[in-house]
Amino acid sequence: GAGVSQSPRYKVAKRGQDVALRCDPISGHVSLFWYQQALGQGPEFLTYFQNEAQLDKSGLPSDRFFAERPEGSVSTLKIQRTQQEDSAVYLCASSPGLDYYEQYFGPGTRLTVT
Amino acid sequence: EDKVVQSPLSLVVHEGDTVTLNCSYEVTNFRSLLWYKQEKKAPTFLFMLTSSGIEKKSGRLSSILDKKELFSILNITATQTGDSAVYLCAVESGGTSYGKLTFGQGTILTVHP
Repeated sequence: GAGVSQSPRYKVAKRGQDVALRCDPISGHVSLFWYQQALGQGPEFLTYFQNEAQLDKSGLPSDRFFAERPEGSVSTLKIQRTQQEDSAVYLCASSPGLDYYEQYFGPGTRLTVT
Repeated sequence: EDKVVQSPLSLVVHEGDTVTLNCSYEVTNFRSLLWYKQEKKAPTFLFMLTSSGIEKKSGRLSSILDKKELFSILNITATQTGDSAVYLCAVESGGTSYGKLTFGQGTILTVHP
């Protein structure tokens, strides 16, 4: 497949559970972004990786959120002790380079915390 | 804080109508403005605009940027039911070496047959 893939597509977690969301970017893409999209809102930036380096995590809403990209390709967003306000669609996007390249989005993971 | 505002929030039209979607922004170190179409899945890229006054066109869709007045419009002519979607505007801000995007809340377009 040529696009960005994410798994799972849907996740239901009970409050307090930990979850891990996976993103497979387009092969060779240097940049990887995570966004959180609440219902009826535009995506909001969470964090950015350039290869394996996490250069910006200013959008992570709390220290319960953690992201990694250890080999510079697949990335995982982990949310510990989930809360109801974490319910949202989590979008991953990748882009080939650093300057003026559009971001290609995955289908997202819809997380529902009950 | 960077801010992107889209209007209208929702729009209902009939097939064949022409629509104009608006996006205004306030960001530091503007680099580019992007339009995405989001159906019930991933946002798909439509346009990237970096220069004022240069229209970008793809089929029935076109977009233009005004960097002096800090806004962009997306036009869709001869709308079709397949154009029904959320249209997202995003601005890429500089000050970093990468394209951090700030999105608007989106315009929900519904095209009736």
